[in-house]
Amino acid sequence: EPEVTQTPSHQVTQMGQEVILRCVPISNHLYFYWYRQILGQKVEFLVSFYNNEISEKSEIFDDQFSVERPDGSNFTLKIRSTKLEDSAMYFCASPRAAEAFFGQGTRLTVV
Amino acid sequence: AQTVTQSQPEMSVQEAETVTLSCTYDTSESDYYLFWYKQPPSRQMILVIRQEAYKQQNATENRFSVNFQKAAKSFSLKISDSQLGDAAMYFCAYRTDSNAGGTSYGKLTFGQGTILTVHP
Repeated sequence: EPEVTQTPSHQVTQMGQEVILRCVPISNHLYFYWYRQILGQKVEFLVSFYNNEISEKSEIFDDQFSVERPDGSNFTLKIRSTKLEDSAMYFCASPRAAEAFFGQGTRLTVV
Repeated sequence: AQTVTQSQPEMSVQEAETVTLSCTYDTSESDYYLFWYKQPPSRQMILVIRQEAYKQQNATENRFSVNFQKAAKSFSLKISDSQLGDAAMYFCAYRTDSNAGGTSYGKLTFGQGTILTVHP
């Protein structure tokens, strides 16, 4: 089965620091998504990325967030200056047709 | 905008028994997909079952089946012969079935989740 790979699995960072979460999506997929899940809460859409640019973003995705595909394969989510409330699981997803493939997630802890 | 509602924050079931998790959604679209995802303590998102809205037949995957009522916008998950490994958070999710190139292609909208406990 195709796999979406996320690194790191867990990251601890100090408030105010920049973090970069990485995702290797399934090759030949055109759309990529980032979702966020605060502990114990529902999974929320952050941003979608198509053809190397953002196609849609939620109100959560403010100026502190950015996404890139720096080398044509990796797909990154950057948080410029982390806040305590950014602590959450971050999932990368790669849909195609009727399938929606999720990475295993990155647990971000801001202290 | 689409919304997904799971009205049962927690459910419990005895091992080997059957349990049904509820989900309702709101949409003005006619073509879409519905999913149930399982999230164990590892927090990985695992696809349990998928239903295409254009299909009248309810999807089934081994012990998991759905009751899809399109007119009522209801999509419940039935787990038969529950096992201890079924204990997890379950999320219902909606996805637009737009053509490739649409900005919402592949975007999932999730319900709040239901925590399922399985008692031995």
